[in-house]
Amino acid sequence: DGGITQSPKYLFRKEGQNVTLSCEQNLNHDAMYWYRQDPGQGLRLIYYSQIVNDFQKGDIAEGYSVSREKKESFPLTVTSAQKNPTAFYLCASNPGQGRNTIYFGEGSWLTVV
Amino acid sequence: GEDVEQSLFLSVREGDSSVINCTYTDSSSTYLYWYKQEPGAGLQLLTYIFSNMDMKQDQRLTVLLNKKDKHLSLRIADTQTGDSAIYFCAESKGSGGYNKLIFGAGTRLAVHP
Repeated sequence: DGGITQSPKYLFRKEGQNVTLSCEQNLNHDAMYWYRQDPGQGLRLIYYSQIVNDFQKGDIAEGYSVSREKKESFPLTVTSAQKNPTAFYLCASNPGQGRNTIYFGEGSWLTVV
Repeated sequence: GEDVEQSLFLSVREGDSSVINCTYTDSSSTYLYWYKQEPGAGLQLLTYIFSNMDMKQDQRLTVLLNKKDKHLSLRIADTQTGDSAIYFCAESKGSGGYNKLIFGAGTRLAVHP
């Protein structure tokens, strides 16, 4: 089935460690996104990519990094520089080319212990 | 500014209609969206409306757009317990066919017998 797969679903990190969240899509979508969700708040954009080997910072990019080496994959690294990384992280994709529907994965919970 | 505002909570009786309201600030937004989020899950795209439309209906869902007042609403007819979730309004920003979405904080809909 086509879709967006995020892994792992739950991840625990010790302070000072970097972690990488995986996002894979087999929808042949051009654009991919990472959002962060905190309780009682909406989603905030971390990074987005419109094409392979290109990406742009969103509203809260500090302490995060991404890569887009393949069209299907857009991993997010949460670095030790991110002051408050505990959150729910959502990956999304958009077919682009004038089709304006953004689809989301099931999310990854990151907890710093 | 880029604020999208929603009321945080709505309680309705099963079988009644639910109306969830949203205001946005950017008059240049081309598309406005409604997403549904169930506990611990990703966001499910419910519907979207193009900014040159006033209304869109899709089965039990009716979206109304007042572009002059920058007001968007989602009406759910015959609300069921399975409709209990958080509903997010979002406005689009982008060009070249690639959007990024600005989200409200979400409205928690509780359906009771």
